Amino acid sequence: AQKVTQAQTEISVVEKEDVTLDCVYETRDTTYYLFWYKQPPSGELVFLIRRNSFDEQNEISGRYSWNFQKSTSSFNFTITASQVVDSAVYFCALSDYTTSGTYKYIFGTGTRLKVLA
Amino acid sequence: GAVVSQHPSWVICKSGTSVKIECRSLDFQATTMFWYRQFPKQSLMLMATSNEGSKATYEQGVEKDKFLINHASLTLSTLTVTSAHPEDSSFYICSAQGPLLGSGTEAFFGQGTRLTVV
Repeated sequence: AQKVTQAQTEISVVEKEDVTLDCVYETRDTTYYLFWYKQPPSGELVFLIRRNSFDEQNEISGRYSWNFQKSTSSFNFTITASQVVDSAVYFCALSDYTTSGTYKYIFGTGTRLKVLA
Repeated sequence: GAVVSQHPSWVICKSGTSVKIECRSLDFQATTMFWYRQFPKQSLMLMATSNEGSKATYEQGVEKDKFLINHASLTLSTLTVTSAHPEDSSFYICSAQGPLLGSGTEAFFGQGTRLTVV
């Protein structure tokens, strides 16, 4: 069955520290998509990245970077030099193709990141 | 990116009344819309999937008679919580997908609706 595991429930770091959020997924599909979203206290989901299963290149966007490793079914997210504004809940998600022809998102349980000043 | 507008952003209602939440895709045609529910400090749980013009497909454990979903047009889906009770208080989020958007897998999320039933 398709599943996304975010083992870290809550992480606290001091500002300027680097932090890595782990995501491990399970799927039988050969074609799939992985996502990271940020959910600040307001509740709105902020899209961070999408990665398809055929693209294992790591990606860097400013202070954010992602490490996708199919061999370990992991898609980890690192924030470099964390800032207080990074405090939020971060969700990893897997896009699962359904028999009805749509892609359904399966979310992990989320990691609450607290960056302390 | 594509914009999905959800309304209202918050609502308080009395127990026993019904509440309607709207989800609109503003600049694309959403052939599929999803409705999620999120309890405090928990993940997003998919409630149902709706395709325009078809009946919604509900996830296991979600009462279809309580959570009425209508997807009558390519830009609008509504979720009606009927006879709401305090245990229905939650954060409801919609997302929309459209076949003309890239690979078709990307979903765009509304801002969410915080429902409080008193």
